[in-house]
Amino acid sequence: DTGVSQNPRHKITKRGQNVTFRCDPISEHNRLYWYRQTLGQGPEFLTYFQNEAQLEKSRLLSDRFSAERPKGSFSTLEIQRTEQGDSAMYLCASSRTTGNTEAFFGQGTRLTVV
Amino acid sequence: AQSVTQLDSQVPVFEEAPVELRCNYSSSVSVYLFWYVQYPNQGLQLLLKYLSGSTLVKGINGFEAEFNKSQTSFHLRKPSVHISDTAEYFCAVSLTYNNNDMRFGAGTRLTVKP
Repeated sequence: DTGVSQNPRHKITKRGQNVTFRCDPISEHNRLYWYRQTLGQGPEFLTYFQNEAQLEKSRLLSDRFSAERPKGSFSTLEIQRTEQGDSAMYLCASSRTTGNTEAFFGQGTRLTVV
Repeated sequence: AQSVTQLDSQVPVFEEAPVELRCNYSSSVSVYLFWYVQYPNQGLQLLLKYLSGSTLVKGINGFEAEFNKSQTSFHLRKPSVHISDTAEYFCAVSLTYNNNDMRFGAGTRLTVKP
């Protein structure tokens, strides 16, 4: 098991374009989280899934953002009509719900909107 | 709601010197506290956590932290730092042993100089 995997690692897009990021969690983890980290700040919670169910969404997740985890395994985060303010590192994490519930983070996808 | 303040945005220190990274939290109820480390172009890695019990918590890489309820602090310490400890360090607080209500501080950049 190689840990949480995120793709792509970097994405540069023009304002107004749509982008999609993928996260592959650790295989036995049924919880998956998305965070956003802007320069000079700590990660901010966006949303999380337990299996395929999206259980909570932050107010930061505007209607241009959508996340899915269709089969309870990998997840995608889509941003429509990107804005320059969307430029950030998007982090994915996964965890168990029982026993050791430590969250393991991926390396992140750095989005730059130009 | 819970929140975290990291008192120093940058801490430069010479190799083999001791270091303390300061963290204060705010909450009206009991909390869980965490320290994460983020190396360049990497995701976050858990250093240590306080859930209950002993107020002195030992983590990986020789780091430790002390929970002080009266001062609402959870400062991170290491008696002798290495060049390889250069990284961004994040303090985090949550109300549940869960990751969706975790709030991160803005981070402290530790730079270890030879």
